[in-house]
Amino acid sequence: EIVMTQSPATLSVSPGERATLSCRASQSVSSKLAWYQQKPGQAPRLLIYDASTRATGIPARFSGGGSGTEFTLTISSLQSEDFAVYFCQQYHYYYTFGQGTKLEIK
Amino acid sequence: QVQLVESGGGLVKPGGSLRLSCAASGFTFSDYYMTWIRQSPGKGLEWVSYIRFDSSTIYYADSVKGRFIISRDNAKNSLYLQMNSLRVEDTAVYYCARGGRRALEWFDPWGQGTLVTVSS
Repeated sequence: EIVMTQSPATLSVSPGERATLSCRASQSVSSKLAWYQQKPGQAPRLLIYDASTRATGIPARFSGGGSGTEFTLTISSLQSEDFAVYFCQQYHYYYTFGQGTKLEIK
Repeated sequence: QVQLVESGGGLVKPGGSLRLSCAASGFTFSDYYMTWIRQSPGKGLEWVSYIRFDSSTIYYADSVKGRFIISRDNAKNSLYLQMNSLRVEDTAVYYCARGGRRALEWFDPWGQGTLVTVSS
């Protein structure tokens, strides 16, 4: 099983600032990585797939990078609606998710 | 718009059974892989099973293999998960999600989820 590890567990950032979330795979997943956003009481929503491609309707302030085992999700200027939990997921070999990063208002 | 709506969750005793359904609309259901994912406070997000668009390929997570059965009815635009021999650790919100037109792609969109509670 490919283990996905996200850091930090909680990130406190002020609105308007940049947030960078990290995700590490226990072995290479090439670029087979997605990022999801989840708000309380809602299902996860796809943000990024293939490590760096924004899903339909996702604002340009969200960007993904990396390949192999190290990945990042960057939100360039945080809006109030961006405070949520973010998950990474690999789909290189079956599917596994990270444990999530909670992005909270500083 | 693309929509997935799960149903069938509830409270069941250990060892019992439950059948989840997922009604799809807004896209050509028979073109896509479909999957079940569950989320619990203790285990986070866990992929459960997926099924190819023509049901010719099915995979399960080790944690549910031999107990859960995924199926689909393309004529009814519906996905199912038959859950047998349920355990306390199967307690979770169960989501259905659309995969891609090929194996091993991302999930988009997800349904709103249905809660399964296994408790005596």
